[in-house]
Amino acid sequence: QQQVKQSPQSLIVQKGGISIINCAYENTAFDYFPWYQQFPGKGPALLIAIRPDVSEKKEGRFTISFNKSAKQFSLHIMDSQPGDSATYFCAASKWNQGGKLIFGQGTELSVKP
Amino acid sequence: DTEVTQTPKHLVMGMTNKKSLKCEQHMGHRAMYWYKQKAKKPPELMFVYSYEKLSINESVPSRFSPECPNSSLLNLHLHALQPEDSALYLCASSQEGGGNTIYFGEGSWLTVV
Repeated sequence: QQQVKQSPQSLIVQKGGISIINCAYENTAFDYFPWYQQFPGKGPALLIAIRPDVSEKKEGRFTISFNKSAKQFSLHIMDSQPGDSATYFCAASKWNQGGKLIFGQGTELSVKP
Repeated sequence: DTEVTQTPKHLVMGMTNKKSLKCEQHMGHRAMYWYKQKAKKPPELMFVYSYEKLSINESVPSRFSPECPNSSLLNLHLHALQPEDSALYLCASSQEGGGNTIYFGEGSWLTVV
């Protein structure tokens, strides 16, 4: 019940295309869903986050879509660029768990020029 | 640039050595974390400090000993480690409570020989 399942494991997209990464969770008590971007040799950096009271959040080229009934959320990267090539992790947490993040397994994104 | 600073960036230690990893943040956050990340895997929570008190220990072996000297500093003392403990150790911080952005440092790469 604590798991967050992420797919695909790896993704290759052409420059200018749309990258889509999906996550699914079981625990309905989760109430905070961040996405992290990690470049090789660096720590994860928060990209965008959403709470279950909204169905979509957009920040620049990055959009989170959230489907509470299906217990799924996804990251869309519009106009993907080679500089977006990184590993992306979805995560979930509960307000009363002191910030403990449950991460998905990660998606390695490669954007080809 | 991340506002969570970790030192050293790289550490090689023998199985009988004692060493420490250090972390500092100046964002006024009252929650601090240690995560462990193996190659191509998501970060795994080790410890959480809340208001300088240990609030979560994810059943981490005693050869890892955390310390929070004050609200800005977090240490991880290492003793008698095993080669399988080689990993990227990430420090993070956030405002107290769940649902707040967790900011990660760049990490300390640890190799146990």
